[in-house]
Amino acid sequence: EVRLVESGGGLVQPGGSLRLSCAGSGFTVRSTYMSWVRQAPGKGLEWVSIIYSGGTTYYADSVKGRFTISRDTAYNRLYLQMNSLGADDTAVYYCAKGSMVVTATFDYWGQGTVVTVSS
Amino acid sequence: EIVLTQSPGTLSLSPGERATLSCRASQSVRSNSLAWYQQKPGQSPRLLIYGASNRASGIPDRFIGSGYSGSGSGTDFTLIISRLEPEDFAVYYCQQYAGSLLTFGGGTKVEIK
Repeated sequence: EVRLVESGGGLVQPGGSLRLSCAGSGFTVRSTYMSWVRQAPGKGLEWVSIIYSGGTTYYADSVKGRFTISRDTAYNRLYLQMNSLGADDTAVYYCAKGSMVVTATFDYWGQGTVVTVSS
Repeated sequence: EIVLTQSPGTLSLSPGERATLSCRASQSVRSNSLAWYQQKPGQSPRLLIYGASNRASGIPDRFIGSGYSGSGSGTDFTLIISRLEPEDFAVYYCQQYAGSLLTFGGGTKVEIK
């Protein structure tokens, strides 16, 4: 059974950093593409970043240069390093597993981890 | 960046009725890169439809995605819920992929009338 469990969220001051982690089970994170998607309080879904099986990464303009997506195949984990955080980064952050059938479509999602940026 | 505009913002319907949700792209989108998700309060999104018209595993056949124009791309996509069940009242998002960027629509809330 595929499962994704995020961790690492919390309260951070503006300008601070945080690293989110997503533990995968039932599949290998390197076998497919993986993404981070966030949802600000009361708002819709916003794509943040993607890493393909070959290692290519892309970012939304809103986080480019501040966030870094990576993975650890030994621990079967996906990460999101977030730097220079601002109030607009406050959201629930979901990791999502890419479908093996079609590009950039996510068939499994974690339960999310909450990031709050506030002084 | 391709912008996805979903309409209406809110749809008020009764169980048993038909729901028609629209997703319009600012530029042509390849049909195989258009997906629909359902999200209920306090839950993670759930994949419903991929490739514009293919139901994901375990999704009931009352969920129908369309928009395949025959040319493999288009700007107008639709999600139809043929007969609303009580568990279908939720927010629905479309999502596309083009090049290096992915985008979601703003969502349509289907609420009980």
